[in-house]
Amino acid sequence: GAGVSQSPRYKVAKRGQDVALRCDPISGHVSLFWYQQALGQGPEFLTYFQNEAQLDKSGLPSDRFFAERPEGSVSTLKIQRTQQEDSAVYLCASSSYRSRNTEAFFGQGTRLTVV
Amino acid sequence: SQQGEEDPQALSIQEGENATMNCSYKTSINNLQWYRQNSGRGLVHLILIRSNEREKHSGRLRVTLDTSKKSSSLLITASRAADTASYFCATDEDSSGYSTLTFGKGTMLLVSP
Repeated sequence: GAGVSQSPRYKVAKRGQDVALRCDPISGHVSLFWYQQALGQGPEFLTYFQNEAQLDKSGLPSDRFFAERPEGSVSTLKIQRTQQEDSAVYLCASSSYRSRNTEAFFGQGTRLTVV
Repeated sequence: SQQGEEDPQALSIQEGENATMNCSYKTSINNLQWYRQNSGRGLVHLILIRSNEREKHSGRLRVTLDTSKKSSSLLITASRAADTASYFCATDEDSSGYSTLTFGKGTMLLVSP
């Protein structure tokens, strides 16, 4: 596609509900990142995939957060038993990883509100 | 955790004026990038400067990097109302074997007509 696509754009979840956020990266991009952005803050790294391999999940805040990219393209970030502190914008980014010095392209994000 | 610290946190200027934003970071880096975010939208890449570069230009943007002081600045010349946005610096830390970005908290720029 033309850019990184995320769905849904907005999600309201009741506390305790499970949610799944989808990311369609730019076609052919090897690297895929998930970030969490709280209101008024910069994005915080959650996890990184290189193709289907999850190389870094050090930023996932708890074991309620799980991400996958089974075929090396589309990725899903799943949050189980959502809590109010999970309310944030979840951003996905992809890059071609031709070299270290390659820009990342971000999606519009999914704004999650837990009520 | 967030590595970069932008200052100022907020900046308000008139159209036509220049805007300067600064970023400091803590660890050794491979490159430093600046991104813009309009309200409620995704991040847009502006410019990337490698650790062995000191200055880079792109249109009305000028970025400097001082690795000895672990700091960078973003200058927007002849600002326009459309430049109103939040600006973030992001560092690609040298210690990791792959490229991930660590963002600062951002500078909110308001350009008034």
